[in-house]
Amino acid sequence: GENVEQHPSTLSVQEGDSAVIKCTYSDSASNYFPWYKQELGKRPQLIIDIRSNVGEKKDQRIAVTLNKTAKHFSLHITETQPEDSAVYFCAAFDVSGTYKYIFGTGTRLKVLA
Amino acid sequence: GAVVSQHPSWVICKSGTSVKIECRSLDFQATTMFWYRQFPKQSLMLMATSNEGSKATYEQGVEKDKFLINHASLTLSTLTVTSAHPEDSSFYICSATQAPSETQYFGPGTRLLVL
Repeated sequence: GENVEQHPSTLSVQEGDSAVIKCTYSDSASNYFPWYKQELGKRPQLIIDIRSNVGEKKDQRIAVTLNKTAKHFSLHITETQPEDSAVYFCAAFDVSGTYKYIFGTGTRLKVLA
Repeated sequence: GAVVSQHPSWVICKSGTSVKIECRSLDFQATTMFWYRQFPKQSLMLMATSNEGSKATYEQGVEKDKFLINHASLTLSTLTVTSAHPEDSSFYICSATQAPSETQYFGPGTRLLVL
């Protein structure tokens, strides 16, 4: 089955700096890769996603890149702000096969003011 | 749009009792609902996938007789934790998708504490 690894587990950056979180997946059939932000005690919120026919997607300060050959994808947050502090999860989803999400282990991002 | 509710948000129960958690899609028909469990400082672990009108598909290691899932309609799925024990204490989150989109919408979660 699918396995998703996520690094780093914790990340501290100064306000205004960039943050990068990386994930790798094992199943080449996975074709949809969402990223979620989860604040303490709350539900995960979708912040950006990418499909396997696209290499990069950007939404204001957030971008995601996908390398299908290497089976890894990354989340990039630029000009970080204290409110970006949260736990971020990547996930892989197989639309045509198992039809389920497998989550990465999470990255606790702390933006220092 | 695309709102998912969960009830209750908090539940405390005695060991050995059963607890039912409801997950509802409020403004769309959910062809598939997912149930996750999340322990403190850990990731979301998929427990089961539920399609309306059919039996749920459980992940390896999840006891189907302990975690009963019913998806009776396109807007409601329930998870019943039977004979709960302290180790079942966790944050349970459901999500729903509407075919053909794969975007999942999460409920707010239910925090279960078994004494």
